[in-house]
Amino acid sequence: DQQVKQNSPSLSVQEGRISILNCDYTNSMFDYFLWYKKYPAEGPTFLISISSIKDKNEDGRFTVFLNKSAKHLSLHIVPSQPGDSAVYFCAASSSSGTYKYIFGTGTRLKVLA
Amino acid sequence: DAEITQSPRHKITETGRQVTLACHQTWNHNNMFWYRQDLGHGLRLIHYSYGVQDTNKGEVSDGYSVSRSNTEDLPLTLESAASSQTSVYFCASSEGLKETQYFGPGTRLLVL
Repeated sequence: DQQVKQNSPSLSVQEGRISILNCDYTNSMFDYFLWYKKYPAEGPTFLISISSIKDKNEDGRFTVFLNKSAKHLSLHIVPSQPGDSAVYFCAASSSSGTYKYIFGTGTRLKVLA
Repeated sequence: DAEITQSPRHKITETGRQVTLACHQTWNHNNMFWYRQDLGHGLRLIHYSYGVQDTNKGEVSDGYSVSRSNTEDLPLTLESAASSQTSVYFCASSEGLKETQYFGPGTRLLVL
């Protein structure tokens, strides 16, 4: 049972436009969410996070939105750049458990120049 | 600079052999994790440790073991490698339970 789902395996966006990556979760105990970016042959790198007490967190071109009632989070990248082309993983954890991360399957973003 | 390293970066082995993948971090983090990445599954937790002499099973721990004899290292051992263990393995560490996990560069393992 996949507790964290990224239903779009891939996404292509034109340079300068907005990229929106989506993530859904099923466990209502999750209260901390993260996005990681992964380039080929490298380890995942932390991008941005959000706690369940917020509905939005912004860091430069990256904004994460959390809709708790829908159990849905999204990552917005504005404007998208070719260097943003990577695989993006969302992850969730629960402070009432062991804080282990549960990862989604990833979305491959390709930003076209 | 503090970092997390994995060795080897690439490994080919045969079914039934014992394999150990190394993970070393210089951040002095208490928490260390091992994940495997497979197409269609994302990153799945194999084992984790919250400190020296502490080890715990993750969601896909069968066929793997870890030991934590010091803060810096968490080696992952495949007792008897199977073709199903062909994967990319990532080690990660974090300072505290609520803190962000930082990942190593990965080890690509092929079991023939």
